[in-house]
Amino acid sequence: DTEVTQTPKHLVMGMTNKKSLKCEQHMGHRAMYWYKQKAKKPPELMFVYSYEKLSINESVPSRFSPECPNSSLLNLHLHALQPEDSALYLCASSQETPVSFYEQYFGPGTRLTVT
Amino acid sequence: DAKTTQPNSMESNEEEPVHLPCNHSTISGTDYIHWYRQLPSQGPEYVIHGLTSNVNNRMASLAIAEDRKSSTLILHRATLRDAAVYYCILRASGTYKYIFGTGTRLKVLA
Repeated sequence: DTEVTQTPKHLVMGMTNKKSLKCEQHMGHRAMYWYKQKAKKPPELMFVYSYEKLSINESVPSRFSPECPNSSLLNLHLHALQPEDSALYLCASSQETPVSFYEQYFGPGTRLTVT
Repeated sequence: DAKTTQPNSMESNEEEPVHLPCNHSTISGTDYIHWYRQLPSQGPEYVIHGLTSNVNNRMASLAIAEDRKSSTLILHRATLRDAAVYYCILRASGTYKYIFGTGTRLKVLA
């Protein structure tokens, strides 16, 4: 099974809401990633978890809070977002970091709209 | 940082070969060149990667220039299912962070 699943597929939230995005993989991968993709732009790395510890934070605002409760799960907690945070949020996993990029498997993404 | 340059869009007729170029003039000597593609409403998926010599797999071929300043992804017979955005990806120097190029949107005409 080489699948990364993400829920929900779509999310609409107000600027005062708190919501969470969920990502799951059962490939035994020990590295998990969050990317943000604005319309017609390439994905941009946000966070990297390696062995359930945050190893890279690409200077992401604190209104985005990642969490890795176990090696199969990755959450992204959202609070007080701005309309410009509307984007496709992609989760990916790979066997380990550092790792050659080709081993990353991506989920289908959660399309987030902030109103 | 290694930077890539790709054409915004390309068109191809179905069943014909497609050559998707990528310029990466600042690539370091040890960095692999990766290609991923993103089909509509999906996350990126791996296509191919290489270091110096040309590479082939069941999806595509990767031709790397001798000076490594450019590469070309070759789809030998484009199908409608190959319509996607194709990204050339390099590692940011001194890090394990990989940077997506701007991507080429491939349109395949029936």
